[in-house]
Formats: sequence, C-alpha cells, structure tokens
Amino acid sequence: DGGITQSPKYLFRKEGQNVTLSCEQNLNHDAMYWYRQDPGQGLRLIYYSQIVNDFQKGDIAEGYSVSREKKESFPLTVTSAQKNPTAFYLCASRGTVGEKLFFGSGTQLSVL
Amino acid sequence: SQQGEEDPQALSIQEGENATMNCSYKTSINNLQWYRQNSGRGLVHLILIRSNEREKHSGRLRVTLDTSKKSSSLLITASRAADTASYFCATDEYDSWGKLQFGAGTQVVVTP
Repeated sequence: DGGITQSPKYLFRKEGQNVTLSCEQNLNHDAMYWYRQDPGQGLRLIYYSQIVNDFQKGDIAEGYSVSREKKESFPLTVTSAQKNPTAFYLCASRGTVGEKLFFGSGTQLSVL
Repeated sequence: SQQGEEDPQALSIQEGENATMNCSYKTSINNLQWYRQNSGRGLVHLILIRSNEREKHSGRLRVTLDTSKKSSSLLITASRAADTASYFCATDEYDSWGKLQFGAGTQVVVTP
C-alpha cells in the first residue's frame, strides 16, 4: 500500500537529549513537510523540502534539524535546544507544489 | 505565523443541519485547500480550490473563494455524526514556492 509512515507513534525525550522522528513515503513524492501541532491548535510549519538534498526553514525551525538524503525519507531531529518539544508532530508529502498533501499518522513527543 | 485564520473556533450542530466555517488569509495565494482531522490522527485532504476559481463542490462539501477579500468558506450540508472533526484551511502562498501554511482550525461537533 502506498502512503506515509511515521515512527514511532509515541516518543519520550529526556532533558538534554536529541531525538529523531522518522518519516518515510513510498508515493514517489518530491515534496515533504514537517508540522508541529500543540493541543487544540493549528499546524505550524517546521521545515519543508521540495527536492532531494534541499530543504527550507518554516516558521518555527529553531531547535529542529532535518535532512533529505533520499527522496522517500525526511527525518526530523528535535535537538536539546528546543526547550518545549512536547507536541504532536505530523509529516506530509505531495507530488509537487500546488497539489494536495498526504499526511502520516503522527508522532506524539513528550518530555520525561 | 499562520497564514489562515478560521472562524468560528468551534461549532456545535445537530445531524441534518448545515455547517459553515470561514477562513481568512493574509497574502496572495496559488490555491487554498481544506483538510479534516479526527482527534489524534493525521489530516485528510477534502478539497482544493485554485486562485482563479470561485466555487467548487465535492459531494456534501461546497467551497467558495473570494480573493478580493482574501477569504474562503467551507459548507458541509446535511451533516452527520461522522462529520465530527476539526477542519483546517491551508494556503499555498504565491511568493513562497512550496510553503503550505495552515490556519488554527474549526472544531465541529455534530450531535445525533
């Protein structure tokens, strides 16, 4: 089945620790996105990538890092510099600009 | 910053009634999209309307777009309990290639 897979579903971070959220798609999409969602809030854009080996900062990139070494993969690292990382993280992809997004099922990150 | 702002923030209706929610945005856009999210899940695309279109229908959904007022509306007709979800608008900004921004969402509750 084609789709976007996010893992893990739940993740816990200790103080000072970096954690990486996985996002894989087999839809052959060029563009991939990471959004953060706080309880009862909308989605805020962290990073996005239009093509392999290239990515752009969104509105809340501080404390996060990404890589796009393969077309199908766009991992997000939440670094220790992100002081309030507790949130629901959503990965999405689309074929190209102007098309609809396909979303993964999300990762809930909490701080221990 | 979030590009789209939905109104109302929350809406409670009975089955069979129509639900209308509005989205306002700030900058020029290529298209506007509506998504639905069930609690704790990823988003699902509902409908996309391009900047040169004024109205679009899909099943029980009707979307309008007024680029002069920078606003859009989503109408769900003959609502069902299964329509209970949060609804978000998202805009593909004209000057930021590939950047898809979401609003804060409207939470809709449909009671039987």
